[in-house]
Amino acid sequence: QKEVEQNSGPLSVPEGAIASLNCTYSDRGSQSFFWYRQYSGKSPELIMFIYSNGDKEDGRFTAQLNKASQYVSLLIRDSQPSDSATYLCAPRSGTYKYIFGTGTRLKVLA
Amino acid sequence: DAGVIQSPRHEVTEMGQEVTLRCKPISGHNSLFWYRQTMMRGLELLIYFNNNVPIDDSGMPEDRFSAKMPNASFSTLKIQPSEPRDSAVYFCASSFSEGIQPQHFGDGTRLSIL
Repeated sequence: QKEVEQNSGPLSVPEGAIASLNCTYSDRGSQSFFWYRQYSGKSPELIMFIYSNGDKEDGRFTAQLNKASQYVSLLIRDSQPSDSATYLCAPRSGTYKYIFGTGTRLKVLA
Repeated sequence: DAGVIQSPRHEVTEMGQEVTLRCKPISGHNSLFWYRQTMMRGLELLIYFNNNVPIDDSGMPEDRFSAKMPNASFSTLKIQPSEPRDSAVYFCASSFSEGIQPQHFGDGTRLSIL
């Protein structure tokens, strides 16, 4: 079992729809969870992070965390073509150990 | 503010040659990470420095890889001798170590070993 599992996609959604990106992790010691966006040929950039169970909203983005189920998700409301990218889930254990998933490729269709 | 600066952006070299990748972290950040990204394995942590000291090098694939951080503003990742399977994008990232501080990534070095 991989430490971090993400559906590789591509996940295709029409413009204006909600995109739902999911991630499961195996390390119960993970304490904080980061979502990065990576455009093709570019470096990862932080979207948001969450460390408490429940939802955390930031603009069009909502992160959801369920530690009991070892599940974290990212919702993107009103998806735009500019949101088309690969989204990396990265649980963190301790102070520095980030384990990155291989990412879900999102395509927002105009 | 300047972000994490990596050089070179692209490197193409022949198998057996020495390769040196360079990184300048964001000023004031005391944690530095080297990652390697491939299609098959995704983003893998190679080594982590805190306050210029290597804390975790368990991700360094083998003795051909070495990394140094002589001061707070500079780090190198060296591969000697290089092999075709080392071809990947190498990212450097930095952060503060206290609290939940996200990493900031450099633009990466795309390495091709022929």
